Amino acid sequence: AQSVTQPDIHITVSEGASLELRCNYSYGATPYLFWYVQSPGQGLQLLLKYFSGDTLVQGIKGFEAEFKRSQSSFNLRKPSVHWSDAAEYFCAGGGSSNTGKLIFGQGTTLQVKP
Amino acid sequence: DGGITQSPKYLFRKEGQNVTLSCEQNLNHDAMYWYRQDPGQGLRLIYYSQIVNDFQKGDIAEGYSVSREKKESFPLTVTSAQKNPTAFYLCASTPVFGIYYEQYFGPGTRLTVT
Repeated sequence: AQSVTQPDIHITVSEGASLELRCNYSYGATPYLFWYVQSPGQGLQLLLKYFSGDTLVQGIKGFEAEFKRSQSSFNLRKPSVHWSDAAEYFCAGGGSSNTGKLIFGQGTTLQVKP
Repeated sequence: DGGITQSPKYLFRKEGQNVTLSCEQNLNHDAMYWYRQDPGQGLRLIYYSQIVNDFQKGDIAEGYSVSREKKESFPLTVTSAQKNPTAFYLCASTPVFGIYYEQYFGPGTRLTVT
């Protein structure tokens, strides 16, 4: 079955430190992959997406993600975290462009220490 | 500004009562979606609508119903048949149906049933 897994439920980093949030997917073909961010009590905002081509994808707010087929991963990274990055992050995927149905990971809550 | 509005932000109901959550968009999008969010479970798809007067069940449709009589509106009714209705509900839309498109999310409605 198709699935998206975020192994880390909660991550704490210091402001200015680098960040990597993990995402693993299970799809037969090349998946369509997304990262969304959710501030407390709010809706989700798209950070970046991968469909094909260059495996390193740049997004908004200084985030990037790298698609690694050999590891079935699509990890989100940021070189230097700001206090405003504290939020919940969701990885999502779909196996075909013919369906609008995304599968979301469980989410990772990021806490930023001053 | 275009966007998705969900009202109310907080909703309280007694067990056994049906309740309808509002979702309105002025983005002129064809497709709309309803998700349920529970802590540690990510987002799960309840219903989706590809176009006016059409809708399909998602992964957890039992105990819910929807209608799509107007392009801009996609209300969700949580019926008394839903065993555990307390959750955060998110509405989203895309220009057309398909995961290629960024999903635009509303701010959500937190429903508490006691």
